[in-house]
Amino acid sequence: GQQLNQSPQSMFIQEGEDVSMNCTSSSIFNTWLWYKQDPGEGPVLLIALYKAGELTSNGRLTAQFGITRKDSFLNISASIPSDVGIYFCAGLPTDSWGKLQFGAGTQVVVTP
Amino acid sequence: EAGVAQSPRYKIIEKRQSVAFWCNPISGHATLYWYQQILGQGPKLLIQFQNNGVVDDSQLPKDRFSAERLKGVDSTLKIQPAKLEDSAVYLCASSFGQGFYEQYFGPGTRLTVT
Repeated sequence: GQQLNQSPQSMFIQEGEDVSMNCTSSSIFNTWLWYKQDPGEGPVLLIALYKAGELTSNGRLTAQFGITRKDSFLNISASIPSDVGIYFCAGLPTDSWGKLQFGAGTQVVVTP
Repeated sequence: EAGVAQSPRYKIIEKRQSVAFWCNPISGHATLYWYQQILGQGPKLLIQFQNNGVVDDSQLPKDRFSAERLKGVDSTLKIQPAKLEDSAVYLCASSFGQGFYEQYFGPGTRLTVT
């Protein structure tokens, strides 16, 4: 079946640094969503992308829908301690009737 | 606006017992999803409802899992009998409807099967 490859698997960064992560797929996607999950909680939607090449920001977060429609990127600028968590990409393949596929997540650890 | 509600938050059962989870989606959301999230992995869709009809249950282990959304609002997911490998977080999500792909998740139910 289709798979999303999310990388890196984990990141250890210092407060104030920028963070970049990405997701790639072998198939074309119509939509990319980025979520953050804190321990013991459900994923929280951060950014939604709907068009190839689209670049969208939400505060210090910026995400891009790759022009090939097979990848997406998330950047966090000037990281702060509350950025700690697991970030998931989720993609919607064509003709999937809303059936999102999730990456395995990128765990971000921020040290002071 | 109230988010997706789930209960219980935690459940510990022995294998071969049964368990049920409840979900109340965001008001007005027609589409409801149940996901299973195993530790260290992303959520995996179990079943998708559009109002009270099933859209996709291709990944639901139907020999032991069942779900219903009788009135098109809240939903229950049941496991009977449970196996050790069912230990996971069960997440409920909802979206406005077909063609609206932004899904909003509840806090999840952490199930431990011993």
